[in-house]
Amino acid sequence: AQSVAQPEDQVNVAEGNPLTVKCTYSVSGNPYLFWYVQYPNRGLQFLLKYITGDNLVKGSYGFEAEFNKSQTSFHLKKPSALVSDSALYFCAVRDNNNDMRFGAGTRLTVKP
Amino acid sequence: DGGITQSPKYLFRKEGQNVTLSCEQNLNHDAMYWYRQDPGQGLRLIYYSQIVNDFQKGDIAEGYSVSREKKESFPLTVTSAQKNPTAFYLCASSTLPGQGFDGYTFGSGTRLTVV
Repeated sequence: AQSVAQPEDQVNVAEGNPLTVKCTYSVSGNPYLFWYVQYPNRGLQFLLKYITGDNLVKGSYGFEAEFNKSQTSFHLKKPSALVSDSALYFCAVRDNNNDMRFGAGTRLTVKP
Repeated sequence: DGGITQSPKYLFRKEGQNVTLSCEQNLNHDAMYWYRQDPGQGLRLIYYSQIVNDFQKGDIAEGYSVSREKKESFPLTVTSAQKNPTAFYLCASSTLPGQGFDGYTFGSGTRLTVV
């Protein structure tokens, strides 16, 4: 069965600094990888996905993620963090059976 | 605009009472899902459905029931058998494999509180 791990419950960065939110995965077959963001009392919003092709994926709001097959990672990155990026971020993986698993989430706090 | 709508946004349940959470989508998605979110525990799958009149249990189905009488609708009933129902409930929908799967689309959630 596939699984995804987000090793950090909390990430704190200063506004203007680069940010990284980590995700590692385990899946049989080719992974379909996703990042979602959740603001308080709201549903999850799609940020970006990797299905095939270029290992560097660009998504919404200036976020990007790098697929690394050898390290089974899909870390979310942004070159310059904004206070408005503060939210809960979820990594997810889907296998060929259409079974999608979400990580426990990482709370990102960007301080002015 | 296409989307997925959950109602109500807030719901209060008395002990021993059944309550039903609504989820409607106009995205023409075949698959629909219900998740429960508790603080610090991420999302846990309750039930999912890939076709009308058929649904499957997820990881935490006990105390919950669903129906899928229409493609657009997937209501969740939280029964009195669910001993700790206070949580944030999220509905999602997606296409199926072979239909160009593009991830899940989520509703805005229903916060259920036992009073």
